[in-house]
Amino acid sequence: EAGVVQSPRYKIIEKKQPVAFWCNPISGHNTLYWYRQNLGQGPELLIRYENEEAVDDSQLPKDRFSAERLKGVDSTLKIQPAELGDSAVYLCASSLDLIDNSPLHFGNGTRLTVT
Amino acid sequence: EDKVVQSPLSLVVHEGDTVTLNCSYEVTNFRSLLWYKQEKKAPTFLFMLTSSGIEKKSGRLSSILDKKELSSILNITATQTGDSAIYLCAVFMEYGNKLVFGAGTILRVKS
Repeated sequence: EAGVVQSPRYKIIEKKQPVAFWCNPISGHNTLYWYRQNLGQGPELLIRYENEEAVDDSQLPKDRFSAERLKGVDSTLKIQPAELGDSAVYLCASSLDLIDNSPLHFGNGTRLTVT
Repeated sequence: EDKVVQSPLSLVVHEGDTVTLNCSYEVTNFRSLLWYKQEKKAPTFLFMLTSSGIEKKSGRLSSILDKKELSSILNITATQTGDSAIYLCAVFMEYGNKLVFGAGTILRVKS
């Protein structure tokens, strides 16, 4: 089966510019996550979707970050405007169903560099 | 605050050595513990440990969950250079279905 697909793989932008990341989860996976991973740290959850509903966005900096998952499949994560501290790897993950305790499967991530 | 702590932060060994990576957690409503291996790309799933499955083994890798001590270990025997990676431990919590990661252990296996 195809894995979680993310694009772009790399993005370099200047501060104050907008940026968007795209994620296509594994087919049939209802739960989708966006994580941010800073260098030398573990991934930190930004937002979690159950189908098209954002059920946990408590860690999402809502002043500049937004996300959507239209039709409960693909998802986009946007930052506007970007700041230097947003430089990180943005990981998307999906899972079948948390009730069944299924593990998360991650995409290759988007490495964002803000200059 | 929910917390997952891994040790050591980094480790260098020679091929053929056996390594043990540690993970301890302080979380509310523990559900399961997961181990991931992260090379240059996506974290790849290794094991999930729950109350009903506290020991898992796959080839040279094995993991044990100690619910009493709130910890887990990941063992790698006869290490190979391909085992060089960051090993991430994460804990699923029952309510909110939150998955919290540790900072990871960087393992480097020298030939």
